[in-house]
Amino acid sequence: NAGVTQTPKFQVLKTGQSMTLQCAQDMNHEYMSWYRQDPGMGLRLIHYSVGAGITDQGEVPNGYNVSRSTTEDFPLRLLSAAPSQTSVYFCASSYSWSSYNSPLHFGNGTRLTVT
Amino acid sequence: AQSVTQLDSQVPVFEEAPVELRCNYSSSVSVYLFWYVQYPNQGLQLLLKYLSGSTLVKGINGFEAEFNKSQTSFHLRKPSVHISDTAEYFCAVLYGGATNKLIFGTGTLLAVQP
Repeated sequence: NAGVTQTPKFQVLKTGQSMTLQCAQDMNHEYMSWYRQDPGMGLRLIHYSVGAGITDQGEVPNGYNVSRSTTEDFPLRLLSAAPSQTSVYFCASSYSWSSYNSPLHFGNGTRLTVT
Repeated sequence: AQSVTQLDSQVPVFEEAPVELRCNYSSSVSVYLFWYVQYPNQGLQLLLKYLSGSTLVKGINGFEAEFNKSQTSFHLRKPSVHISDTAEYFCAVLYGGATNKLIFGTGTLLAVQP
């Protein structure tokens, strides 16, 4: 019972490099999202998807791209890494985007450092 | 603007003592309220939720929370904490009419000391 799987767990990038954070869920969840967690700021929504082929911006989307070609996968791309993107990134999914009674399931996070 | 406030960034408490973690939200016609817990190096897990009905909600691990509409609060309580309760606790609010775009508070670190 894997749930939400994020890879890698840790990553160090140099400024200007690009990379993709992977997220996969095996629960056939409709809704998937990416958050970043920074000290003293809680979790902030980056991008989300309500189904395959549909994505939308959250609170802090600049510098990130997403796509949702399958129900299972929701990768997050950093186009040109900046030190301000140093953070812990969480992927989360839920069964239904429209139901408040559908709790989010979180992955264990990716800790990213940009030097 | 819609917001969630957790005034206490850290709450130290001795084992077996009671604890209350505070959460306030900006007023709205309808809200759905959640508490999540994050253990070290892990993702967040749902602790409890208020959707409607009784204002006292019971969750896992002996935690409970009370929805107070007039004070726009959703404080989390436990009558007797254990060392294993040491974790970060996040209050989150889903404002009526929105999709699953939860707004999270900044978190409260509960540090249980022996």
